[in-house]
Amino acid sequence: QSVLTQPPSASGTPGQRVTISCSGSRSNIAGNSVNWYQQVPGTAPKLLIYGNNQRPSGVPDRFSGSKSGTSASLAISGLQSDDEAVYYCASWDDSLNGPQFGGGTKLSVL
Amino acid sequence: EVQLEESGGRLVQPGESLRLSCVASGFSFSNYAMSWVRQAPGEGLEWVSTISSTAATTYDAVSVRGRFTVSRDNSKNSLYLQMNSLRAEDTAIYFCAKTTASSGYSSRYDYWGQGTLVTVSS
Repeated sequence: QSVLTQPPSASGTPGQRVTISCSGSRSNIAGNSVNWYQQVPGTAPKLLIYGNNQRPSGVPDRFSGSKSGTSASLAISGLQSDDEAVYYCASWDDSLNGPQFGGGTKLSVL
Repeated sequence: EVQLEESGGRLVQPGESLRLSCVASGFSFSNYAMSWVRQAPGEGLEWVSTISSTAATTYDAVSVRGRFTVSRDNSKNSLYLQMNSLRAEDTAIYFCAKTTASSGYSSRYDYWGQGTLVTVSS
């Protein structure tokens, strides 16, 4: 059971905007930055958002992140079929003394 | 180009030991903390262990504490995971991942290897 809670699934149609939530606590999200990863089945995870809302070079600006209190969100606008993947949030947890991942959200593009 | 290549995964019996390796290239390996992250079949990502750039500090998940040991050899640009007393629940793909900090106090991994499969079964 992860200390970071994500919905197991999300969906949208091409062109739509979807958001994925990540709920944590004072020991993780509230005091530490949140990072988001995208994983296409059968491949390694890819860093999508770091430092709550920063995009690595090469990540389209359709992807954005935000954080407020003990929660964070990933937003994907202009949904495309190749956005189908599993998305994970991650944050350091001061109580567990290590990074923690959310359970992952499988995004389907209908 | 940054590359991380894991090796050492195989089928082992419960209670046995295994050592995973990760060879890094394309960056100054000795400047960055490194981690192992695993993924059980059909499941999500689970952080396993992290070692600081100088190996002065290590962090381990509760689930592997006392059984797994992370180490590194900066002269060989290599990261290791010694896994003892393996259990069925340790069955997973094990990824080597590069952090962006030297201390290891981070959940930001900017590069990942392709993973090596460890199967624990009798």
